[in-house]
Amino acid sequence: QVQLKESGPGLVQPSQTLSLTCTVSGFSLTSNSVSWVRQPPGKGLEWMGAIWSGGSTDYNSALKSRLSISRDTSKSQVFLKMNSLQTEDTAIYFCTRGTRFDYWGQGVMVTVSS
Amino acid sequence: DIQMTQSPSLLSASVGDRVTINCKASQNINKYLNWYQQKLGEAPKLLIYNTNNLQTGIPSRFSGSGSGTDYTLTISSLQPEDFGTYFCFQHNSWPWTFGGGTKLELK
Repeated sequence: QVQLKESGPGLVQPSQTLSLTCTVSGFSLTSNSVSWVRQPPGKGLEWMGAIWSGGSTDYNSALKSRLSISRDTSKSQVFLKMNSLQTEDTAIYFCTRGTRFDYWGQGVMVTVSS
Repeated sequence: DIQMTQSPSLLSASVGDRVTINCKASQNINKYLNWYQQKLGEAPKLLIYNTNNLQTGIPSRFSGSGSGTDYTLTISSLQPEDFGTYFCFQHNSWPWTFGGGTKLELK
């Protein structure tokens, strides 16, 4: 069955870099895109960026200067790296499949604090 | 960026009610509009894709309509499990954007 699971540190210091991994199963990264979406506590959803089946990427222009998405197809993993973190980057980070976002991971809470 | 404005932001309704949630885009999004339901502590769940296509496994009481800049999610007869927050989402233009959400609560 299709599954996605995010992993990464729960706490990041301001100005540091966030690194998250989305491990997928039940589908191929060479046939499906994966997006990252985040949600600050009690707030709405923000699409961050996507990596396409061919390996190209697209990013939210608001985050583009700080964000990088990559993958390792042999490990079925998608990576998110975002630098210069600030307190407003505190959020639940989700990975999700395709353009429909039909399957989601459970999310990982990331707190930016010293 | 395309702005997605949902209304109302809060909706109080009773079991059995017919409810509609609206989503207005700041420009034409060519029906590339999805709807998601989110319950507290959970990931969003896809209900409707590309305006009016019901996702597999979603009850038929959910339906979507619209075109151009105006879109609607309708629940024909509200069930207890339908309470939560609903988000619209456009994937017509970069960056893809979500609406601010509509919280559907028990009256």
